[in-house]
Parts: sequence; structure tokens; C-alpha cells
Amino acid sequence: AQSVAQPEDQVNVAEGNPLTVKCTYSVSGNPYLFWYVQYPNRGLQFLLKYITGDNLVKGSYGFEAEFNKSQTSFHLKKPSALVSDSALYFCAVRPQNRDDKIIFGKGTRLHILP
Amino acid sequence: NAGVTQTPKFRVLKTGQSMTLLCAQDMNHEYMYWYRQDPGMGLRLIHYSVGEGTTAKGEVPDGYNVSRLKKQNFLLGLESAAPSQTSVYFCASSYENTGTGAKNIQYFGAGTRLSVL
Repeated sequence: AQSVAQPEDQVNVAEGNPLTVKCTYSVSGNPYLFWYVQYPNRGLQFLLKYITGDNLVKGSYGFEAEFNKSQTSFHLKKPSALVSDSALYFCAVRPQNRDDKIIFGKGTRLHILP
Repeated sequence: NAGVTQTPKFRVLKTGQSMTLLCAQDMNHEYMYWYRQDPGMGLRLIHYSVGEGTTAKGEVPDGYNVSRLKKQNFLLGLESAAPSQTSVYFCASSYENTGTGAKNIQYFGAGTRLSVL
């Protein structure tokens, strides 16, 4: 079965420290990979995506993610966390050529401690 | 910039009642989607549309119907609400360039919080 795993329900990081939010997937072929962020009482906002090419993808607000095909992972990273980064983060995977298929992880709540 | 607008923002229904959720986008996007978000489960696709006049089922379509009579609007209907449909509903849209829309960014509305008693 196709799936996306975000193994941590919550991640706590001190402000100024690097952060990592993990995502692994099990999808056949070469899927498209996305990260979205959700702030309280808001819809999801796009952060970054991997379609093809360079494995390191840079996105909004200083975030980046590294695609690792052998480990089927797409971890979200930021070198220096801000308190304003505190939010709910979702990894999403879309198989190529499948309009009807988008698989979201359950989300990881990121707390940045002042 | 309005983007994707959902109405209403909140609604409480009794079991068996019906209602329609409206999603409107002003970005001239071809693709539109309805999701539900439940705690610990991420988002699940209910129905989607790849263009005006077309709709298709997603992962969890049972108990819901949709219509896309105008390109900018995507309606989600509950004919007979059940407590299991208590959730937060999100609408999203995306543009299409060539081929499928799978590689495109989705733009989300702020959500509708629905409680079915």
C-alpha cells in the first residue's frame, strides 16, 4: 500500500538551532514530493517541492528539503529555527500521472522554544 | 488577493440534515479539490475536478457529492449528515500547464469546521 510516514508527532527545537522534520514514503515509481505548512485556523501553504533534478530543494522562509531516493525520504530542514516557524508541517506525495492520488502524512507539530 | 475562499467557516448540523459547502477561487485554476482533515490522519481527498463540468472520486467519497458548474466554483454536498462527517474541510485549487496536475502546487482555503451532532 502506498503511504507517507512522518514518524514524529511533535518536534521541539530551541530558537537558533537547526531543525529537521522527517518524512519517508512508500510509493511506486518516481513520485512528486511536497511540504506544506499549516498555521492555526488557516489552510495549508506550500513550502517546497521536488519534481526532478537536484536532490536539495530550497523553498519559502529559508526551508530546504533533501530528496534521498535510496532511503525514500524527503526530510525538511532549516539551518536556524525561528519562533515564527512553530506550526504543523505536512509531507505530501503524488504518484506521477495520477490526478486522483495525493497522500498526506499525518503531520508533525513543530515547536520552536524561545 | 482573495485566492481560495470557503463558506461557511463554521457549521453545526444535526444527524440527517443536509448542507452545501462552497469553494470559490479567483486564480482561473483548472483543478479543484475537496479534503477532510481529521486529527492524527492528515488530509484525505474526498472528490476532485480537473475542469468545469467534470468531477471524480478521491479516497473517501462516500456520503458526499460535488458539482463544478462554473470553473471558479466547486461545491461539496452532504445529503444526510452523519457524526462520522464531523471534520475540518479544506478546498484547494491548482493550475494546469501540460499533462496531469500532479506536479503542481495546491492553494488551500482557510477551511470549514463542521460538527454533526
